[in-house]
Amino acid sequence: QSVLTQPSSASGTPGQRVTISCSGSSSNIGRKYVYWYQQLPGTAPKLLIYRSNQRPSGVPDRFSGSKSGTSASLAISGLRSEDEADYYCAAWDDSLSGPVFGGGTKLTVL
Amino acid sequence: EVQLVESGGGLVKPGESLRLSCAASGFTFSTYSMSWVRQAPGKGLEWVSSISSSSSYIFYADSIKGRFTISRDNAKSSLYLQMNSLRVEDTAVYYCARDIGRDAYSPEFDYWGQGTLVTVSS
Repeated sequence: QSVLTQPSSASGTPGQRVTISCSGSSSNIGRKYVYWYQQLPGTAPKLLIYRSNQRPSGVPDRFSGSKSGTSASLAISGLRSEDEADYYCAAWDDSLSGPVFGGGTKLTVL
Repeated sequence: EVQLVESGGGLVKPGESLRLSCAASGFTFSTYSMSWVRQAPGKGLEWVSSISSSSSYIFYADSIKGRFTISRDNAKSSLYLQMNSLRVEDTAVYYCARDIGRDAYSPEFDYWGQGTLVTVSS
């Protein structure tokens, strides 16, 4: 089981808004930034959100991140078919002295 | 254009060794921390190891500590992962990733390689 907890799946229809949660603890999300990665089928992960709520250049503003306490969320608005992918949260863990990832959420666009 | 190209994966038996390489190009390799992240078949991402730009700081996941060694050669713009005493559970695609370095102690990987598959099976 992963240190960060994510739902294994999520779904939505085109145009909808979906959110993916990521739950951690005081040794990781509670005191560190959260990062989100998108992994399209058969490809390497891509950085989607950094510093909990910042988007790298080139990432559409349909993607947004937030953090509160020991939990974080990724929101995707105006859902598109090309958003169908696996999404992972990540954070540094002070107790483990290394990064930890969530188990991943498979997003299906119905 | 930033490129990271992993090599060295393959099929080995439990207890054997393997050395992965990651050739970097398109950026000043010596100024970035680098990491290895793996993904078992059908599973999620797992951080393996990180090394700072000058090799001063090295971190390992508990699952591989004592068996794997990360290193780099800045003159060759290359990152390595020496994997000894391999186990069946080490079977995974191994990605090398560049740490953008915006914040200390942060898993902010802005470029990834395509990955190399390591299969450990008898």
